[in-house]
Amino acid sequence: KAGVTQTPRYLIKTRGQQVTLSCSPISGHRSVSWYQQTPGQGLQFLFEYFSETQRNKGNFPGRFSGRQFSNSRSEMNVSTLELGDSALYLCASSSTRDTQKLFFGSGTQLSVL
Amino acid sequence: GENVEQHPSTLSVQEGDSAVIKCTYSDSASNYFPWYKQELGKGPQLIIDIRSNVGEKKDQRIAVTLNKTAKHFSLHITETQPEDSAVYFCAASPGTGTASKLTFGTGTRLQVTL
Repeated sequence: KAGVTQTPRYLIKTRGQQVTLSCSPISGHRSVSWYQQTPGQGLQFLFEYFSETQRNKGNFPGRFSGRQFSNSRSEMNVSTLELGDSALYLCASSSTRDTQKLFFGSGTQLSVL
Repeated sequence: GENVEQHPSTLSVQEGDSAVIKCTYSDSASNYFPWYKQELGKGPQLIIDIRSNVGEKKDQRIAVTLNKTAKHFSLHITETQPEDSAVYFCAASPGTGTASKLTFGTGTRLQVTL
């Protein structure tokens, strides 16, 4: 069974630009969560999607948004990038039987210059 | 909301020794406690989890213990090997509901030296 796939692996952007990150969950998983990981703040929850609906949202500004498609693939978008948005963005999927067990992808390392 | 504290932040052990990482949580409603291992360049991987109806769980060289009264849980790795070197995260959750209810600790960087 293929794991969670995130693309791209690395991304370099400049301040003010926007970026879209992609996540393909494990086959059969309908729940997708996004986390931001930084050395100072650790793993912080961004949002969770289930069956194309945002189920929960973390404490991030509106510049961070996401969506989920009918095939459970998900994208997250960050607009008007700031230097502080530099981080590893992780996507995790989980099954409906056990939504607490997260399976993470390798992440997208975003650098904002 | 839930607050999870994890100690130590770094841990260095010799190969073959045991390693212990401890976490405390604040929300008495939490009843699901997973541990994740993150290797360099990879995402966190679930290695073991425990629910509040058990006090200890083992899987080969790793074990997790839970003390609900004291609100703390620990990860024990015995006979450590170089491939155990990684960052380990604990987490806590009410156990019902969605993935967003997981609160992570700040991580422990474990280094196993030869």
